[in-house]
Amino acid sequence: DGGITQSPKYLFRKEGQNVTLSCEQNLNHDAMYWYRQDPGQGLRLIYYSQIVNDFQKGDIAEGYSVSREKKESFPLTVTSAQKNPTAFYLCASSFYWGTPLNTEAFFGQGTRLTVV
Amino acid sequence: GESVGLHLPTLSVQEGDNSIINCAYSNSASDYFIWYKQESGKGPQFIIDIRSNMDKRQGQRVTVLLNKTVKHLSLQIAATQPGDSAVYFCAENILANAGGTSYGKLTFGQGTILTVHP
Repeated sequence: DGGITQSPKYLFRKEGQNVTLSCEQNLNHDAMYWYRQDPGQGLRLIYYSQIVNDFQKGDIAEGYSVSREKKESFPLTVTSAQKNPTAFYLCASSFYWGTPLNTEAFFGQGTRLTVV
Repeated sequence: GESVGLHLPTLSVQEGDNSIINCAYSNSASDYFIWYKQESGKGPQFIIDIRSNMDKRQGQRVTVLLNKTVKHLSLQIAATQPGDSAVYFCAENILANAGGTSYGKLTFGQGTILTVHP
């Protein structure tokens, strides 16, 4: 079945450590996104990528880094520079046509990151 | 608008009532809009979408209305059921340009918590 997979589902990080969250999709989507969600709040865009080897900062990129070496994969690294990393992280993907003919984004089931 | 550390508004309805969830978007150049449903601990799921050349679109028990004049989007759920209880987000696709290439950026609204009482 086609879909978007995030792993792990739960992740614990010690202060000062970098951690990497995985996001893989087999939907042949060009665009991929990372969002952060805090309890009782909306989604905030961290980074997005429209094509391989290209990505753009979202609204809250500080303390995060990404790579897009393969179309299927868009890993997110939460660095020690992120002062409050405990949150629910959501990855999404969508088709990109290069025209206003975009389609909906499909979401993974999320990774809950906790700093201990 | 986009959520920046704000708590979500709530809507409580009785089972069988119709629900209306509203969303104000920010960019008059947005060309595509989506409504998502998010259940607790899960990723958002697509409900319905609408393009900017339309003002109404209907799905199964759901209707989306788009008013471009006032940049307003609404989701109507008919005969609301307890299983509809969730957080509902609107999202807008903003067309941007970089290096001569156009691309879309998906931006989410604040979200609304819908609670359906039996």
